[in-house]
Amino acid sequence: ETGVTQSPTHLIKTRGQQVTLRCSSQSGHNTVSWYQQALGQGPQFIFQYYREEENGRGNFPPRFSGLQFPNYSSELNVNALELDDSALYLCASSRGGQGATDTQYFGPGTRLTVL
Amino acid sequence: GENVEQHPSTLSVQEGDSAVIKCTYSDSASNYFPWYKQELGKRPQLIIDIRSNVGEKKDQRIAVTLNKTAKHFSLHITETQPEDSAVYFCAPKWDNFNKFYFGSGTKLNVKP
Repeated sequence: ETGVTQSPTHLIKTRGQQVTLRCSSQSGHNTVSWYQQALGQGPQFIFQYYREEENGRGNFPPRFSGLQFPNYSSELNVNALELDDSALYLCASSRGGQGATDTQYFGPGTRLTVL
Repeated sequence: GENVEQHPSTLSVQEGDSAVIKCTYSDSASNYFPWYKQELGKRPQLIIDIRSNVGEKKDQRIAVTLNKTAKHFSLHITETQPEDSAVYFCAPKWDNFNKFYFGSGTKLNVKP
């Protein structure tokens, strides 16, 4: 198993609510990427955080936002939840910048259900 | 952004046979090409990767081949076993900072 952890494991929300998902990166990693995986599809890149700054974003609206903390853990926030936001949310940590490596390691994911 | 296509979408083989999954991509600047295995309800796990300065890489029953000119890379699994049954994703890197576009996945079913 990787050293990447996510919380909570499962979450049920209703449409219009807000949610915060958390990710702790692997030791030595300074980059966290977030992905949304709808049922039966591949993970889609939401955004990436490197040294506490957003470092690239996929095709997701502004109601998807994030943070990275000095210890490189990260949060994904989703406002005004819609039914289509129901998915598995995965974070992946890697090392960017000096000493960068290509490999990213995934956390176990948070299963979000929006009713 | 990167356009990634994966074929086939489903693949059913008999235990002991070989399986090949192909991934095509559009960004000629891509230089790192991993394959992930995802079992039901679990996280994607890296099973093999290749960099653009190498044409082929093998790890026991798994191999990856890369054709940078044609912009495709393939996953080869030999002597398949039932535990190889899973969804496999290719995810070429599309910039210098560890951003990846995933294919739509190939569901491999190995029949005992």
